[in-house]
Amino acid sequence: DAGVIQSPRHEVTEMGQEVTLRCKPISGHDYLFWYRQTMMRGLELLIYFNNNVPIDDSGMPEDRFSAKMPNASFSTLKIQPSEPRDSAVYFCASSRPNYEQYFGPGTRLTVT
Amino acid sequence: AQSVTQLGSHVSVSEGALVLLRCNYSSSVPPYLFWYVQYPNQGLQLLLKYTTGATLVKGINGFEAEFKKSETSFHLTKPSAHMSDAAEYFCAVTKSGGSYIPTFGRGTSLIVHP
Repeated sequence: DAGVIQSPRHEVTEMGQEVTLRCKPISGHDYLFWYRQTMMRGLELLIYFNNNVPIDDSGMPEDRFSAKMPNASFSTLKIQPSEPRDSAVYFCASSRPNYEQYFGPGTRLTVT
Repeated sequence: AQSVTQLGSHVSVSEGALVLLRCNYSSSVPPYLFWYVQYPNQGLQLLLKYTTGATLVKGINGFEAEFKKSETSFHLTKPSAHMSDAAEYFCAVTKSGGSYIPTFGRGTSLIVHP
């Protein structure tokens, strides 16, 4: 198994631009999570899906952030418009119910 | 609600010394407990987990942790630190039934000196 796949690995963009992060979870995993990691705030859960349905998006910072999971093998996290404070490493993780999470390698986002 | 407290944002040890990373949790129901490790520029990966059964759990790379219900603790240990153990370590807790979503601690950075 290839594990959780994220793309791109690095993204540099200018303030105001739209950013789309992509994730392919491990096949057979029912849950998909999006996290953000910064030095200041640590690891934050943004949103999670169960069977492609968003369950809790209370961690999404504001309306500029949106996430979708159109099918069991693909999810996106979109930021529009992006701001410098969005600079962070964004992780996608997947799991089966009550099992450990498998994390992707992350996308390092830099907004200038 | 469940929560996790990791004591010490940084722990520094000499190579060959004992590693002890502390984790205390709160949970209203029997917990599932996890330790994850994050190496630089990588995602988190599972080190070990406790669900049920034996309270002393062994993981990869010589690490182990003991679930102590009376102390609500799940401390991570390794008898002899290696330079390659330098990383960020996260403790996480989730409930054994109902909503699955885990709660992560803030992480502890392990520094290993030669």
